[in-house]
Amino acid sequence: DIVMTQSPDSLAVSLGERATINCKSSQSVLSNSNNKNYLAWYQQKPGQPPKLLIYWASTRESGVPDRFSGSGSGADFTLTISSLQAEDVAVYYCHQYYSTPPWTFGQGTKVEIK
Amino acid sequence: EVQLVESGGGLTQPGESLRLSCAASGFTVSNNYICWVRQAPGKGLEWISVIYRDGGTYYAGSVKGRFTISRDNSKNTVYLQMNSLRAEDTAVYYCARAWGNWYLDLWGRGTLVTVSS
Repeated sequence: DIVMTQSPDSLAVSLGERATINCKSSQSVLSNSNNKNYLAWYQQKPGQPPKLLIYWASTRESGVPDRFSGSGSGADFTLTISSLQAEDVAVYYCHQYYSTPPWTFGQGTKVEIK
Repeated sequence: EVQLVESGGGLTQPGESLRLSCAASGFTVSNNYICWVRQAPGKGLEWISVIYRDGGTYYAGSVKGRFTISRDNSKNTVYLQMNSLRAEDTAVYYCARAWGNWYLDLWGRGTLVTVSS
């Protein structure tokens, strides 16, 4: 199974500042056949289900603000919130769908306001 | 509206059984890949089962042999039969659509299962 490891476990960022979350997979999730990274990011606010933010490592889901961006390739990925807003307080998860089943997730990164 | 709605959770004792339901609207479950993902209190996300378009089923090791996923096409509903429940099965159970057998693009609101004596 592919193990996903996020860092940090939590971070506190001032409003309007940049937040950066890292995700590393235990093996590459880049497909040689289509050159796509099988990596998604989700946002989960308290008491709510996860919400898809980014898929194929860098494609924003419809309706997701453009302050959210995904980057990286192979086994190293980053989710960036360019200017943190109060409504972005949440736990963020990375997720690989390269080798399924199983679908595997990172342990989550909690983003708070400093 | 495209949505998934879970039901069937509740409080039960160790060793007992529960059946969760995941009712879909706005799309057809038999044309999609539907997963169950759970989240223990204060913990992260754990994938536990999937049913493929062709009816194939897969399970995480933590539930294999105890849980069974199925679907009723006439009701557009996916089920999770959970037997021999343990305290460590306590969690919110979400059903989710795996678009193209890839990322989870649609989630239900979840149903809480508590296993306690």
